[in-house]
Amino acid sequence: EVQLVQSGAEVKKAGESLKISCKGSGYIFTDYWIGWVRQMPGKGLEWMGIIYPADSDTKYNPSLQGQVTISADKSISTAYLHWSSLKASDTAIYYCVRPVGATSYFDYWGQGTLVTVSS
Amino acid sequence: QSALTQPASVSESPGQSITISCTGTTSDVGSYNLVSWYQRHPGKAPKLIIYDVSKRPSGVSYRFSGSKSGNTASLTISGVQPEDEGDYYCCSYAGNFAVVFGGGTKLAVL
Repeated sequence: EVQLVQSGAEVKKAGESLKISCKGSGYIFTDYWIGWVRQMPGKGLEWMGIIYPADSDTKYNPSLQGQVTISADKSISTAYLHWSSLKASDTAIYYCVRPVGATSYFDYWGQGTLVTVSS
Repeated sequence: QSALTQPASVSESPGQSITISCTGTTSDVGSYNLVSWYQRHPGKAPKLIIYDVSKRPSGVSYRFSGSKSGNTASLTISGVQPEDEGDYYCCSYAGNFAVVFGGGTKLAVL
């Protein structure tokens, strides 16, 4: 059974760094892209970007490029989303997703990680 | 890229049909048959219910169907049930490995 299991909720202060994780299981991790989708309070879903763990090829939403870093460690089947300096506007639920192909739909979702950033 | 446009809310009585529209542009919905729809219940992760405009994943009720005309995609739920209440999001490929979502539609079954 395919599963994407994310790390737990985080409460941070503006300016702090953070890395959240998503561990994939039940499939060959390096055969699929893996990515992140966020939902800010009261807003819709927003695609953030994807990474191909086999070679770390990464694609970002142009509006978010430079604000976050997506990475993966294929040896432990885990993808990461990293902020070097959080802002209050980063407060959101972050979902790990598995796209079917880089351009297609998301067939599996993680349970979501709530990140709360106080100013 | 801009978000796809969906109605904020729809409501209907059980047993009736509803259609949720999702309007994009010639850069996304209009150019690719790569529209998907997701259902989200409160406190849960979204669930894929339609992909490639009109295909249903295994296990998804036949009451859910999708279509597309020009820059607008649509999700139809035939015979809505109380368990269909929730938020629905459309999504489209937008070129250059980018993906864009709609703002979401809240479905209430009265």
